[in-house]
Amino acid sequence: DTAVSQTPKYLVTQMGNDKSIKCEQNLGHDTMYWYKQDSKKFLKIMFSYNNKELIINETVPNRFSPKSPDKAHLNLHINSLELGDSAVYFCASSQYEGYNGYTFGSGTRLTVV
Amino acid sequence: AQKVTQAQTEISVVEKEDVTLDCVYETRDTTYYLFWYKQPPSGELVFLIRRNSFDEQNEISGRYSWNFQKSTSSFNFTITASQVVDSAVYFCALSEARNTGNQFYFGTGTSLTVIP
Repeated sequence: DTAVSQTPKYLVTQMGNDKSIKCEQNLGHDTMYWYKQDSKKFLKIMFSYNNKELIINETVPNRFSPKSPDKAHLNLHINSLELGDSAVYFCASSQYEGYNGYTFGSGTRLTVV
Repeated sequence: AQKVTQAQTEISVVEKEDVTLDCVYETRDTTYYLFWYKQPPSGELVFLIRRNSFDEQNEISGRYSWNFQKSTSSFNFTITASQVVDSAVYFCALSEARNTGNQFYFGTGTSLTVIP
């Protein structure tokens, strides 16, 4: 059983399109995250949800909108995709007091052409 | 300011050599947690170790060992007798107990290449 699953694994799309990435965890964690990894491998947090409530919202364009229907799911919707959105997006989960660390999904490689 | 610094961007070693990956962190908290993650060429992020600020014991797991020194704010990672499968990007990360939402601060990663 995959602990944190993201779909799709690869996403190639044209500029201006709208796309979504889905994430689900079956670990019973109460907090989920989206991280963006750029071409230089730098990992930066975008959003964090705890029990469906947004608790971290870093400086991210409004075109990015997370949605958490329940604590096991955190989806990322991106409107009007731009070339600079090309990156690998990682979903992760942990307990709120996540001293045991994050469990990451396998990543979604988004390429905007 | 960068909370986690991995000064080594890229390292290459020949198989069977030992290699140490450096990590220096910055925090004002007395309670915090340090982590290492491995990202192999396949791209997933794999948890390696967690260390809390109250436990300065070094840890060894097979060929891997970690040296945590609060006095120098460092949490270095050593691979003994490196193997080609160790080739990956390694990330050090910090989580502060007072953080809202358990935000991790990642270093910029060290890309390790082990040459056969």
